[in-house]
Amino acid sequence: SYVLTQPPSVSVAPGQTATITCAGNNIGRKSVHWYQQKPGQAPVLVVYDDTDRPSGIPERFSGSNAGSTATLTISRVEAGDEADYYCQVWDSRSDLYVFGTGAKVTVL
Amino acid sequence: QVQLQESGPGLVKPSETLSLTCTVSGGSISSHYWTWIRQPPGGGLEWIGHVYYSGSTNYNPSLKSRVTISLDSSKNQVSLRLSSVSAADTAVYYCARLELGIRAFEIWGQGTMVTVSS
Repeated sequence: SYVLTQPPSVSVAPGQTATITCAGNNIGRKSVHWYQQKPGQAPVLVVYDDTDRPSGIPERFSGSNAGSTATLTISRVEAGDEADYYCQVWDSRSDLYVFGTGAKVTVL
Repeated sequence: QVQLQESGPGLVKPSETLSLTCTVSGGSISSHYWTWIRQPPGGGLEWIGHVYYSGSTNYNPSLKSRVTISLDSSKNQVSLRLSSVSAADTAVYYCARLELGIRAFEIWGQGTMVTVSS
């Protein structure tokens, strides 16, 4: 089955840039989506199709995807960005939906 | 705007069947895929499966032998049944709407915690 690997944790100072990676075999050939999950809450879609943002999501959230790694970048990090972030793809070969292992972003 | 609300027992005994309902409000259940996703305490997200408004389904192979997802259009509800549960099935269960065009989960319910214990 398809596996997506994320770093368990990412620490960043307020105002700086957080980079969250999602590694998978030839992930650059797939569309990657990103979710933000705050404690006790349901996940929220923050980036879809590698680079697009749903309405209401700040421009500070951006994504990229190439080769074996997709990346979610959070610019000008705020305390409210502290959360778990999950990447997700659809594996067309198996028609399954796969989530990454999740990365906890801590704002120092 | 479309809202999803999960409901069902918070405690299920081992070997019994877990049954949950997702009520969709603010929109029709038609023309969409409806998904169940779960998250064990302190763990990550796991896709359980989905049902299309036509009734067709697709399940995670790791759970396929125990899962049934169905919908009731007259009530705007989606149901999940998971049989022969064990402690490993203890999790928060989310209902979500899959946007088929992008294969992403755009709308989520708040989730409901289910504990498997005698």
